[in-house]
Amino acid sequence: QSALTQPASVSGSPGQSITISCTGTSSDVGVYNYVSWYQQHPGKAPKLMIYEVSNRPSGVSNRFSGSKSGNTASLTISGLQPEDEADYYCSSYTSSTTHVFGGGTKLTVL
Amino acid sequence: QVQLQESGPGLVKPSETLSLTCTVSGGSISSGGYYWSWIRQHPGKGLEWIGYIYYSGSTYYNPSLRSRLTISLDTSENQFSLKLSSVTAADTAVYYCARVATILTGWDYWGQGTLVTVSS
Repeated sequence: QSALTQPASVSGSPGQSITISCTGTSSDVGVYNYVSWYQQHPGKAPKLMIYEVSNRPSGVSNRFSGSKSGNTASLTISGLQPEDEADYYCSSYTSSTTHVFGGGTKLTVL
Repeated sequence: QVQLQESGPGLVKPSETLSLTCTVSGGSISSGGYYWSWIRQHPGKGLEWIGYIYYSGSTYYNPSLRSRLTISLDTSENQFSLKLSSVTAADTAVYYCARVATILTGWDYWGQGTLVTVSS
């Protein structure tokens, strides 16, 4: 199984919005809504930010939103804050009854 | 509040078996509704799904690791375990245990992670 494709890095200034893409195939992102997103700060465990493409767990800021079109899912962070600087990973269920992650995107808040 | 904690050796010799245990507190792994998972992260790299187990004992493995992998449960201790045989330096990683609901609503609880280094 190949990893989902994410940009290596994105950046934005405080208050701006950014979008991170996550491209898969018709065997994972394109066919299932089991896409989730994780935030990871250095030396910490990942934290669930979005599940089932666009749902936020309790306690996650509504500045985080998710969407999907075809084989590509996206995470949008609006009103960027310094504490949003972290690595972000997407994940999808696959038709092989496995899970696959993206390679990760480093978000820099300028 | 569910908590997960990994434990096991931090150093394993090449060709030997890597063994880790995840102790769950604040919830029972026997209650159903969740897959108990292992995920790893190579140094400076992304996340890799290793596999998971259901309370019934059903397991689902990453095909790339299946031939070397065993995930098991110890319901009496509320723990689940990972065994990865014939390790090489490529298995050096931070290993996380985590929980995901069977309706696949994302891994919502994670352990802190434990670094396992494969080296002689």
